[in-house]
Amino acid sequence: QTVVTQEPSFSVSPGGTVTLTCGLSSGSVSTSYYPSWYQQTPGQAPRTLIYSTNTRSSAVPDRFSGSILGNKAALTITGAQADDESDYYCVLYMGSGIWVFGGGTKLTVL
Amino acid sequence: EVQLVESGGGLVQPGGSLRLSCAASGFTFSSSGVNWVRQAPGKGLEWVSYITSSSSTIYYADSVKGRFTISRDNAKNSLYLQMNSLRDEDTAVYYCARAFQKAFDIWGQGTMVTVSS
Repeated sequence: QTVVTQEPSFSVSPGGTVTLTCGLSSGSVSTSYYPSWYQQTPGQAPRTLIYSTNTRSSAVPDRFSGSILGNKAALTITGAQADDESDYYCVLYMGSGIWVFGGGTKLTVL
Repeated sequence: EVQLVESGGGLVQPGGSLRLSCAASGFTFSSSGVNWVRQAPGKGLEWVSYITSSSSTIYYADSVKGRFTISRDNAKNSLYLQMNSLRDEDTAVYYCARAFQKAFDIWGQGTMVTVSS
């Protein structure tokens, strides 16, 4: 059973920088997993931020960036704003048409 | 406008069936793989199923395999999810999402399915 791990919660000060991570219960995340990131506010559909590790989706500001840090995928938000307060989900492509989501990170901006 | 619009959700008893639909517009649906993703109340996102553009290949999460059937009608720009033998744990908002670069780039607004007696 593959488990994708994310920090349950994180906080950042307005204007600060935060890095959320996405790991595997067993093994390392690499670009071969095509990590992608989604932002979701309560009652809304997810919004795609990053795909293929580090490609920003259209209309996503450049203060959102994706990377591989060590053995995990990472989403970095630079210059955090109040409306960045959301849930953030990563998903890894496991091959053979199978995706596995992480449990999500609740980001607080305060 | 590029969009996906789900419908068909509702209240169903355990063991019952329901068919969800997803109508696509603003892009070439027949060239796109599409997915169903669900979210139980207060929980995270869970990938459910994927179908290729031509319906030649289909995949399911273990949690729904043998109970759910994904299908599409490219002439109608529509995606479907037939859900049988529904369980309490299938209660969720169901989203359709276009597959793009091994990710999901377009999402619908979701339709709520409640399984309860």
